Amino acid sequence: SQKIEQNSEALNIQEGKTATLTCNYTNYSPAYLQWYRQDPGRGPVFLLLIRENEKEKRKERLKVTFDTTLKQSLFHITASQPADSATYLCALGTDKLIFGTGTRLQVFP
Amino acid sequence: NAGVTQTPKFQVLKTGQSMTLQCAQDMNHEYMSWYRQDPGMGLRLIHYSVGAGITDQGEVPNGYNVSRSTTEDFPLRLLSAAPSQTSVYFCASSYSDRANYGYTFGSGTRLTVV
Repeated sequence: SQKIEQNSEALNIQEGKTATLTCNYTNYSPAYLQWYRQDPGRGPVFLLLIRENEKEKRKERLKVTFDTTLKQSLFHITASQPADSATYLCALGTDKLIFGTGTRLQVFP
Repeated sequence: NAGVTQTPKFQVLKTGQSMTLQCAQDMNHEYMSWYRQDPGMGLRLIHYSVGAGITDQGEVPNGYNVSRSTTEDFPLRLLSAAPSQTSVYFCASSYSDRANYGYTFGSGTRLTVV
């Protein structure tokens, strides 16, 4: 069956460091992959989208890579700030969008 | 431009009651969907629609009904509420070209079935 795994439930990192979140998938051939941010009590907010024929996408301090051979996406936040603390969700898409369970990132001063 | 509006924000139902969760979007998005979010389970797709008059089932459709009579609205009906339907429900919408656009989510409806 299709499975999406995000590397860990929680990731703690010091302010100013680069946070790296991992999304692995099996039994799936997505046409695109998306990353979302979710704050407590709120709906997910779209951050970045990368298509299967793209290796890397950047937006300000965010970078996403997509390796369809390894079936893996990496999500990087450079120069992390306490305001980046949230849960980050990866989602794989074809005709439907299927979500991972998320990684809770905590950036401490 | 309000985005995706969900009502109500909170609801308590008794087992066996029915209700409709409302979702409306003002972005002229063709695609709309309903997810439920449970601790440790992530977001799971209930039903989705690629346009007015067209709906299809997602991963967990049992106990839920949808219709799409207009582009703007996509209500979710709980036919006979059960405690297992206690969850946070999110409505999301996007353009039909979903390989190039992200989804816009509503703020959610927190439903408790007692």
